[in-house]
Order: sequence, then C-alpha cells, then structure tokens
Amino acid sequence: QSVLTQPPSVSAAPGQKVTISCSGSSSNIGNNYVSWYQQLPGTAPKLLIYENDKRPSGIPDRFSGSRSDTSATLGITGLQTGDEADYYCGTWDSSLSAWVFGGGTKLTVL
Amino acid sequence: QLQLQESGPGLVKPSETLSLTCTVSGGSISSSNYYWGWIRQSPGKGLEWIGSIYYSGSTYYSPSLKSRVTISVDTSKNQFSLKLSSVTAADAAIYYCARPAYYSGYFEFWGQGTLVTVSS
Repeated sequence: QSVLTQPPSVSAAPGQKVTISCSGSSSNIGNNYVSWYQQLPGTAPKLLIYENDKRPSGIPDRFSGSRSDTSATLGITGLQTGDEADYYCGTWDSSLSAWVFGGGTKLTVL
Repeated sequence: QLQLQESGPGLVKPSETLSLTCTVSGGSISSSNYYWGWIRQSPGKGLEWIGSIYYSGSTYYSPSLKSRVTISVDTSKNQFSLKLSSVTAADAAIYYCARPAYYSGYFEFWGQGTLVTVSS
C-alpha cells in the first residue's frame, strides 16, 4: 500500500487530454513539493515535473502539474501513442522522514 | 550531461549481502553539494526509495530498510555504493541510482538500472 494514491490506469484517445491524480496527506503533498516521473516500457523513470508545476528543459508544455491542498495532478494534452507509459508521483514525507512514491498509473492511448 | 551507471552482481543468494556501485560521469560526485540516492522497483511493482547520501558522507535511509542498508561514497572514484544485508526474495528488483536535487528533492538524474535476482 503506497503512501500516495494514484489510479492504477487511465486511458484516452490520441489528441485528447488526460489527468492523473495523486492523493496524499498533510505530511507529504500538503507541505512538500511534488514531482512526476514518466517510465516508458523497459526504461528508467524520467523526471517530468518538479516542484509541483515546473518542467525540466526538454519536456514539452503538453505536460503540466498542479497541487491543491493534499492532492496533485498531472495533465497531458495532445496525447500521442508515445506517451503510453507508467506515471509516478513522488514527494518527501516529513513524518516518515522518507521519500515516498505513488503506486503508479498506466496510461493507455487508445 | 551527468550520467549514472549501476554495476554489481545480478544474482545474490538468500541471507547474503547485496552490493551495488553507481559510477558518476560528466560531473564530480563531490561538487556543488549534491546528494546521491538509491531507488528500487520490484518486478511489475512501483518505485521504492532506499536511501540517500550527501557527498560528505551523511546518510538517510528508508525507515523500512534502515536496519539492513548502508550507503557510502568514494569521491576518489566518483562512485557511491549500496549494501543491503540479509536479502530475501522480496529484495529482488531493478535497482536504480539517482541524484536528488537536494535533501528532500526530486530525482533529476537516473541510472539505467540493474536487475538483481535473489536465489540459491
């Protein structure tokens, strides 16, 4: 059971928009920055969003992040088949003194 | 561009100690006050943070693994290492080394990962 809760899967058609939620508590999301990672099949995770809503260099603006209270959301617009991957949220948990990840969400682009 | 590469045995016997090394290239492990960390992913499962180390050697570990984990740094070789003792089948996973942006920060650079199997 992960400290952060994500839906196991989401799906949408090419060109559409999808959102992936990440729910936590005041000890993690509520008081610490959230980051998002994309893991394409057979590869290492890649940083997609950091500090809630910032994109590293090279990440297209189709990807966006937001945080509200104890939840965070990853948004992907203009879906492409190449976006099919597992997506993980992560943050520091001040009570556990540990980094925690969500269980991951598998995105299918139909 | 910073690159991280894991290395170590791909097969470890139950009850023995898993030992992995992460070699950093494209930058000095001791520059700019960076942290370095280990994360694992069991087959078909999610990501689990194991622990991190500051370039000076101070460490912090996952509470669930703390009793079995040791992370160390060798600045002369530009490497940091992971030791996990008394392994069981539950420790079989892909092990990634990564660089957190700061103590509690996001992981901005990742190695490609190395698969460790636990079997006699």
